[in-house]
Amino acid sequence: EAGVAQSPRYKIIEKRQSVAFWCNPISGHATLYWYQQILGQGPKLLIQFQNNGVVDDSQLPKDRFSAERLKGVDSTLKIQPAKLEDSAVYLCASSLSSGGYTDTQYFGPGTRLTVL
Amino acid sequence: QKEVEQNSGPLSVPEGAIASLNCTYSDRGSQSFFWYRQYSGKSPELIMSIYSNGDKEDGRFTAQLNKASQYVSLLIRDSQPSDSATYLCAVNRGNQGGKLIFGQGTELSVKP
Repeated sequence: EAGVAQSPRYKIIEKRQSVAFWCNPISGHATLYWYQQILGQGPKLLIQFQNNGVVDDSQLPKDRFSAERLKGVDSTLKIQPAKLEDSAVYLCASSLSSGGYTDTQYFGPGTRLTVL
Repeated sequence: QKEVEQNSGPLSVPEGAIASLNCTYSDRGSQSFFWYRQYSGKSPELIMSIYSNGDKEDGRFTAQLNKASQYVSLLIRDSQPSDSATYLCAVNRGNQGGKLIFGQGTELSVKP
């Protein structure tokens, strides 16, 4: 079974530029998560989708970050404009069912973003 | 106070020893608890999940949960150099869907 796919794996941009990340979850997984992991910290949830609806985006900086999950499968996360503090690894994860407290989340390889 | 706290380490143990990793959490209503392993430059990989008080064993790994004291621990028996990684404790509060709150992670180094 293929795992969670993400692209690109690495991205370097100048501040104030825009960037987009793509995620393809495990086939059949209903719930998709985007996490931000800053160096030396644990992942922090940015947004959770169940199918193509948003469940939780309370920690998404909506003035610059946006995300969508079309047709309940692939998802894109966009940052516009980027700031220096956005330098981090962006992890996509998916889980099989409705995102309940026993759901196991499987992580993709991540996209390492460097903002100069 | 952080919601999920871990000692950042590094924790250094000799090969073959027991490594003990600890995690405390602040929300008494938290429902489920997870340990992820993260090698440098890689993504988190689930090792154990635990939902009720007591011990849960899987191979060389044992997770321990004490909800009254609000702590969860991970024991690694017969530690191997390949166990050297950062171990992340994650907590699901139970009232926010699948949202996980992660600690900062404990770096474990197993010396041959």
